Amino acid sequence: KAGVTQTPRYLIKTRGQQVTLSCSPISGHRSVSWYQQTPGQGLQFLFEYFSETQRNKGNFPGRFSGRQFSNSRSEMNVSTLELGDSALYLCASSLGWTGDDYGYTFGSGTRLTVV
Amino acid sequence: GQSLEQPSEVTAVEGAIVQINCTYQTSGFYGLSWYQQHDGGAPTFLSYNALDGLEETGRFSSFLSRSDSYGYLLLQELQMKDSASYFCASPKAAGNKLTFGGGTRVLVKP
Repeated sequence: KAGVTQTPRYLIKTRGQQVTLSCSPISGHRSVSWYQQTPGQGLQFLFEYFSETQRNKGNFPGRFSGRQFSNSRSEMNVSTLELGDSALYLCASSLGWTGDDYGYTFGSGTRLTVV
Repeated sequence: GQSLEQPSEVTAVEGAIVQINCTYQTSGFYGLSWYQQHDGGAPTFLSYNALDGLEETGRFSSFLSRSDSYGYLLLQELQMKDSASYFCASPKAAGNKLTFGGGTRVLVKP
């Protein structure tokens, strides 16, 4: 089966710009979570969508937003980019059951560089 | 909130055994997961302990003790390809949200 697809793989943006990242989950998976990975802060949860509804949100400013479409594909948007937003953004797909970890499948990520 | 602590780096030789410890402080604790991430790659799921005890998957085993708020990942018969970062993680009760430890970088030497 196809894995989790994230596009684009690499992105370079200028401070103040905005960016949209895309994630297509594994077929049949209804939950999509987003994580930010940086050397200093590690892997941090951004938000999670299930059936087009945001179910959980991490401690990130309002510049970070997302949405999920009826086909479970998800996008995240970062507005007014700052240098500190440079990171690997990972999308994780799962069946969507709450609680126990049935094994999230991560995409290869989008490497965002803000200059 | 949740926090998970693990060592930052471990070095071992091929064929050796490595144990990566993870201590946690969580509210609403469900269980402990382990993920492997090679440089430049995506985290991949290794195991999940919902209950106390040992779970074995090939050369990798994971252990959980809820009374001690402690778990570990055991890597046996180390191979060069096991050089990677290993993360413990804990799911939140409501919704799919993982809190990750800081990661342990394992370096396997010939």
